[in-house]
Amino acid sequence: AQTVTQSQPEMSVQEAETVTLSCTYDTSESNYYLFWYKQPPSRQMILVIRQEAYKQQNATENRFSVNFQKAAKSFSLKISDSQLGDTAMYFCAFMKPSGFQKLVFGTGTRLLVSP
Amino acid sequence: DTAVSQTPKYLVTQMGNDKSIKCEQNLGHDTMYWYKQDSKKFLKIMFSYNNKELIINETVPNRFSPKSPDKAHLNLHINSLELGDSAVYFCASSRSGGGTDTQYFGPGTRLTVL
Repeated sequence: AQTVTQSQPEMSVQEAETVTLSCTYDTSESNYYLFWYKQPPSRQMILVIRQEAYKQQNATENRFSVNFQKAAKSFSLKISDSQLGDTAMYFCAFMKPSGFQKLVFGTGTRLLVSP
Repeated sequence: DTAVSQTPKYLVTQMGNDKSIKCEQNLGHDTMYWYKQDSKKFLKIMFSYNNKELIINETVPNRFSPKSPDKAHLNLHINSLELGDSAVYFCASSRSGGGTDTQYFGPGTRLTVL
């Protein structure tokens, strides 16, 4: 079974700074998808970024980018130029690529961005 | 226009009661899901339906019964509610259910069992 580990329960960063959230996973699959979801205090789950394992290029979405290290089974999220609105829980998630699949989530990292 | 909606957003009830949570998506997706987020914020899949058929059924007590009247709706009925059922329940949908498709989440329903 796949497992996803987020070793940082909480992180703090000041506005405009850069922060990196860690995620590691365990799988015997060679192809899969990885995701970062954001859950602000409103509770809504919002997809931040996704990465396909067979693509070597790291995904980027505006201020959000990932460092995907397939051999190390590591998938970290870098948030540049942090904004107050980035304050949220961040969940790393894994999904197999084919058939009907479920998201397997990590335990989350609470990020606080302060002025 | 809300893509995935859930009703109610908050539900407070007594132990032993039966309650339902409704979910609707207007994205034209074929696959819908129920996830449970516990008090420690851990999210876990409960069920998945594809075009009204049950596809994923995790180890969930029989007191939980999903129903999909059509592919745009997936409701969750819970019998004989227990204190441990208190959680936030999220509905989600995706185009076809595979990893190539993004799952879109509803706003969640916070269930409190007293």
